[in-house]
Amino acid sequence: AQKVTQAQTEISVVEKEDVTLDCVYETRDTTYYLFWYKQPPSGELVFLIRRNSFDEQNEISGRYSWNFQKSTSSFNFTITASQVVDSAVYFCALRLNAGKSTFGDGTTLTVKP
Amino acid sequence: DTEVTQTPKHLVMGMTNKKSLKCEQHMGHRAMYWYKQKAKKPPELMFVYSYEKLSINESVPSRFSPECPNSSLLNLHLHALQPEDSALYLCASSQGARLAGGTDTQYFGPGTRLTVL
Repeated sequence: AQKVTQAQTEISVVEKEDVTLDCVYETRDTTYYLFWYKQPPSGELVFLIRRNSFDEQNEISGRYSWNFQKSTSSFNFTITASQVVDSAVYFCALRLNAGKSTFGDGTTLTVKP
Repeated sequence: DTEVTQTPKHLVMGMTNKKSLKCEQHMGHRAMYWYKQKAKKPPELMFVYSYEKLSINESVPSRFSPECPNSSLLNLHLHALQPEDSALYLCASSQGARLAGGTDTQYFGPGTRLTVL
């Protein structure tokens, strides 16, 4: 069975601080896909990134960066110089070729001015 | 354009009412999904349609009845709901060229906040 653990339930930072959201996953499959989604108070789940299991290259997109490490089954997400608009719930998800996604319980990030 | 639209935004209904939630996408996606999300919880998959055919039903009670009239539209018909069915209902779509393909990125709509009195 597959599982996604986001151990941090809530994180609070002050604007301009860097913050890392942790995601640890479990699967026996060798081919899988990892996702991060952002859910602001409005409710919509916004797709941020997809990473394939066979591509361990880290990625940076503006203030966002992702660190994928197969050795520790982790796919962590870092926001640099956080802003109030980054306040949201962030979900990490795992998807196998069989199609169904498994979501973590989410991390609520609050960025204070 | 990665937009999935959902109507209505909010819905309040009694336990004897019949109502429908609507979802629409114009990205040419062939897979569409219904999720239910309770407060402070992750989304839970309810149904998956692939090429307008129901392919996954996650043991959802029959008071929820999905319908996919065409490749762009997905409905969720509600009847005789219970107060515990109050939640955010999210629709998503993905390319669905091969439903089992994990490369399918799901794009979500803004959701319908449902309250059952």
